[in-house]
Amino acid sequence: NAGVTQTPKFQVLKTGQSMTLQCAQDMNHNSMYWYRQDPGMGLRLIYYSASEGTTDKGEVPNGYNVSRLNKREFSLRLESAAPSQTSVYFCASSPSSGQGVWGYTFGSGTRLTVV
Amino acid sequence: GENVEQHPSTLSVQEGDSAVIKCTYSDSASNYFPWYKQELGKRPQLIIDIRSNVGEKKDQRIAVTLNKTAKHFSLHITETQPEDSAVYFCAANAAGNKLTFGGGTRVLVKP
Repeated sequence: NAGVTQTPKFQVLKTGQSMTLQCAQDMNHNSMYWYRQDPGMGLRLIYYSASEGTTDKGEVPNGYNVSRLNKREFSLRLESAAPSQTSVYFCASSPSSGQGVWGYTFGSGTRLTVV
Repeated sequence: GENVEQHPSTLSVQEGDSAVIKCTYSDSASNYFPWYKQELGKRPQLIIDIRSNVGEKKDQRIAVTLNKTAKHFSLHITETQPEDSAVYFCAANAAGNKLTFGGGTRVLVKP
């Protein structure tokens, strides 16, 4: 039982390059999330998917897009990377649904540097 | 939307002493309050949570209290040990079953 798996673990991009961060969970969770973590800023929500087939913006969505490919997978895409997107990105999943809210299980994170 | 504030930002305690971290939230509709521990270079991990229908919950050396009227909740760690050194985050749920996190508290337990 792997939980939440994120790839890659580390990435260096040049300004203007694009990339996709992959996330997959094997816990049959309904909801999935992408957060970024910057020093002194805590965890800020980029996008989330409350259920398969739906996605919604979080607190800091600008410069990102997401795809909920199926119930297991939720990807985050940077179309044109900027230095301000240098951060640690965490994917998370939760069994939360219309019947109630539950805590997250986080992936191990992707450390992204944009130069 | 929901806003969660967390204090203090850093906390240094002597091994064996207690540590208390406090959070306030803004949305009176919030009803779920988890706490996460993040060790250096690792992912956040859920350590305890509380729902709005209870005022206190304990798990060994960790306890969480909730005051719905005042809209604040606290994490209490007793008999602190060096392995308790980490960053702790509080959170509260918002519309859409997403969590809003506090800014984090860096706890250092000095031997």
